[in-house]
Amino acid sequence: GAVVSQHPSRVICKSGTSVKIECRSLDFQATTMFWYRQFPKQSLMLMATSNEGSKATYEQGVEKDKFLINHASLTLSTLTVTSAHPEDSSFYICSAIPQLGKVSNQPQHFGDGTRLSIL
Amino acid sequence: AQTVTQSQPEMSVQEAETVTLSCTYDTSESDYYLFWYKQPPSRQMILVIRQEAYKQQNATENRFSVNFQKAAKSFSLKISDSQLGDAAMYFCAYRSDKGAQKLVFGQGTRLTINP
Repeated sequence: GAVVSQHPSRVICKSGTSVKIECRSLDFQATTMFWYRQFPKQSLMLMATSNEGSKATYEQGVEKDKFLINHASLTLSTLTVTSAHPEDSSFYICSAIPQLGKVSNQPQHFGDGTRLSIL
Repeated sequence: AQTVTQSQPEMSVQEAETVTLSCTYDTSESDYYLFWYKQPPSRQMILVIRQEAYKQQNATENRFSVNFQKAAKSFSLKISDSQLGDAAMYFCAYRSDKGAQKLVFGQGTRLTINP
């Protein structure tokens, strides 16, 4: 089945540093990937849609300069949290849609998430 | 914009019994997809079941089935013969048939299975 690998699974770092999270589709190509944020006991909130070869589309209220997204290939999207602060601590999850036939008929496949803790 | 509402923050059921989780949504579109995802304590998102809006027949996957009422914009999930492994957060989600294909999630329902 379609597998999405997200790395790292857990990261702890000091305030002010930048953190990069990778999302890879291991056995399929994905022109579109998504980045979600989930606070404890809450639902997933879409942060941005990552499009291969073009700029990401950010949801309202998400700072583009804070959360840098790069989708340089059909199998890799990265999310960089720049100058991270404690309020950026959260669970970040990526997902990808296989580039097979009609995209709208394909389910999203999720990575296992990254728990980010900023001290 | 589409919205998804899960009005039950928590539900509990006795092992081997049946439980129904509610979901309603709001959209002006006619073609879309609906999903139920399970998120266990590991926080991995697991697709439970999906429904295409153009299909009148309710989707089923083993012990999981849905009651899709398009006119009422309702999409409930029924879990039969509940098992301890079913304990998790359950999210209802909507996806348009066009555009960015992004998922819109409900608030979630925490399901507890009592042995």
